Amino acid sequence: AQSVTQLGSHVSVSEGALVLLRCNYSSSVPPYLFWYVQYPNQGLQLLLKYTSAATLVKGINGFEAEFKKSETSFHLTKPSAHMSDAAEYFCAVSGLGSGNTGKLIFGQGTTLQVKP
Amino acid sequence: EAGVTQSPTHLIKTRGQQATLRCSPISGHTSVYWYQQALGLGLQFLLWYDEGEERNRGNFPPRFSGRQFPNYSSELNVNALELEDSALYLCASSFFGSPISNTEAFFGQGTRLTVV
Repeated sequence: AQSVTQLGSHVSVSEGALVLLRCNYSSSVPPYLFWYVQYPNQGLQLLLKYTSAATLVKGINGFEAEFKKSETSFHLTKPSAHMSDAAEYFCAVSGLGSGNTGKLIFGQGTTLQVKP
Repeated sequence: EAGVTQSPTHLIKTRGQQATLRCSPISGHTSVYWYQQALGLGLQFLLWYDEGEERNRGNFPPRFSGRQFPNYSSELNVNALELEDSALYLCASSFFGSPISNTEAFFGQGTRLTVV
């Protein structure tokens, strides 16, 4: 069965520090992978996606993620955190197989806190 | 261009009642997806509609149902409400078959359903 694991439900960094949010997936074949951000009381916004092209994916707001097949990982990074990055981040994998068609399978989410 | 719109923003219902949530997709999108975001349970896939047909369904009881209209808007109905149904319900839309067809799914702001 497909699954997504986000290591660390809460991550706290200082403004200007590196942001690293971890995501590991389980899938029998390389899937499509996504990172979404959710600000309080809002829906989800796509940060970036991996669709089997370049393994290093650049997204919006300075975020990027690297697909590593050998590690089944898709960690999200940003060189320098900004206060406005404080939000909840979700890693997701595209559903594969007849029972999973058309759906995203989400990790549990990581809340990013940015301290001044 | 208008994004995915959901109504109402907030909904308070009594246990045992029925709730109807509505979603208007982005113009040109034919697929509509519903997700439940309950506290402690993360984002769970509910339903996928495309061209008026239910294409896939998550692991939810039959009292969760919906439909898609000819203009591609959608309704989610929850019958016999239970306290555990309290959650943020997110609607997303895409061209057919996202994410497996490599198209992005855009999310609405959600409907906060509270069952008392």
